[in-house]
Amino acid sequence: DTEVTQTPKHLVMGMTNKKSLKCEQHMGHRAMYWYKQKAKKPPELMFVYSYEKLSINESVPSRFSPECPNSSLLNLHLHALQPEDSALYLCASSPRDNYGYTFGSGTRLTVV
Amino acid sequence: KNQVEQSPQSLIILEGKNCTLQCNYTVSPFSNLRWYKQDTGRGPVSLTIMTFSENTKSNGRYTATLDADTKQSSLHITASQLSDSASYICVVYTSGTYKYIFGTGTRLKVLA
Repeated sequence: DTEVTQTPKHLVMGMTNKKSLKCEQHMGHRAMYWYKQKAKKPPELMFVYSYEKLSINESVPSRFSPECPNSSLLNLHLHALQPEDSALYLCASSPRDNYGYTFGSGTRLTVV
Repeated sequence: KNQVEQSPQSLIILEGKNCTLQCNYTVSPFSNLRWYKQDTGRGPVSLTIMTFSENTKSNGRYTATLDADTKQSSLHITASQLSDSASYICVVYTSGTYKYIFGTGTRLKVLA
């Protein structure tokens, strides 16, 4: 298995909703990442988990809450989002040497 | 400051023609450079990865070059196809901050 799987592919949520994005990989990668990408812009790093521990938080608002329950799973919990949070959310993973950095296909999030 | 700049911003070519995309970086220390293809609304897909000692790498009709002295890379696409229409992103990994520095991308459109 050489894929990073993200679910759901599309999500529409209200500003008072609580939802979660899920990311899964079975390549044995020990680093996992969340990115946010707005249209026609490069991905922006949000969080990095290394060996299931949060190692980088790029000053992301607390309405985004990451969780890494095990080495294969990465979640992003969403609460009280704003319309400007609408974007493509990408998950990625890499082995320790960073050579095999792989992206998921993304979750298209719309906040209404 | 670590930066990756790509040119042109956008490009339109006719099917069957060749094209070359440019990437200049000021990232230090340099670890590796990757080219990704990203279809609209999807996650980036890796085309090539090059380390400091590699100056050419091919993946089918895609050939990437790297000049570590001038800190420049190029992606050459041969005999373009309609399916090559996408954004192409240059990403440099720096071991200094363990971060991936993304370029702003080149949007390529191939016309029939």
